[in-house]
Amino acid sequence: KQEVTQIPAALSVPEGENLVLNCSFTDSAIYNLQWFRQDPGKGLTSLLLIQSSQREQTSGRLNASLDKSSGRSTLYIAASQPGDSATYLCAVRPAGANSKLTFGKGITLSVRP
Amino acid sequence: NAGVTQTPKFQVLKTGQSMTLQCAQDMNHNSMYWYRQDPGMGLRLIYYSASEGTTDKGEVPNGYNVSRLNKREFSLRLESAAPSQTSVYFCASIIRQGLYEQYFGPGTRLTVT
Repeated sequence: KQEVTQIPAALSVPEGENLVLNCSFTDSAIYNLQWFRQDPGKGLTSLLLIQSSQREQTSGRLNASLDKSSGRSTLYIAASQPGDSATYLCAVRPAGANSKLTFGKGITLSVRP
Repeated sequence: NAGVTQTPKFQVLKTGQSMTLQCAQDMNHNSMYWYRQDPGMGLRLIYYSASEGTTDKGEVPNGYNVSRLNKREFSLRLESAAPSQTSVYFCASIIRQGLYEQYFGPGTRLTVT
């Protein structure tokens, strides 16, 4: 059974710092991995989708990498801002018919002004 | 293009009452999902519909029923609400399971007293 782990559960950094959020998964047979952002009391917003054949994806100040063989993904946030404060979740879609996303529990990020 | 919409946003029920949570998407997606999110438990899949006319149980289906009314709409029904069903409920959709990005609605916050 696929398991997705995000450690630490919470992170606090000063504004301007470059930071890396980690995600690990136990089964490397995946279609893709998706990073989401969730603001308090809100739904999940998709940030980046990386297919299993890709190594990384970029969107603005965000860069997500995927190392399928080691079961790891990282979300890199450059020049963090207080507006980046949110919970970041990663989810993997296992390979196979009718596969469904398996979610990590998220990392709550606080960027201090 | 509204994406995934959910109604209501908030609801308070007494134990034993019934209600239906509504979800609709305007992206012509084939697959739709219902999740619940609880502190410390992460997102758990309740039911999903891989395509119009099909529904299947997820990880935590007990106490719930679903209806895929048409391609756009997927409803979740609580027949006899229990305090253990106090949660935030999210609907999601994807064009079809596999290589694509999954989108979420804004959520329904349900309290059962």
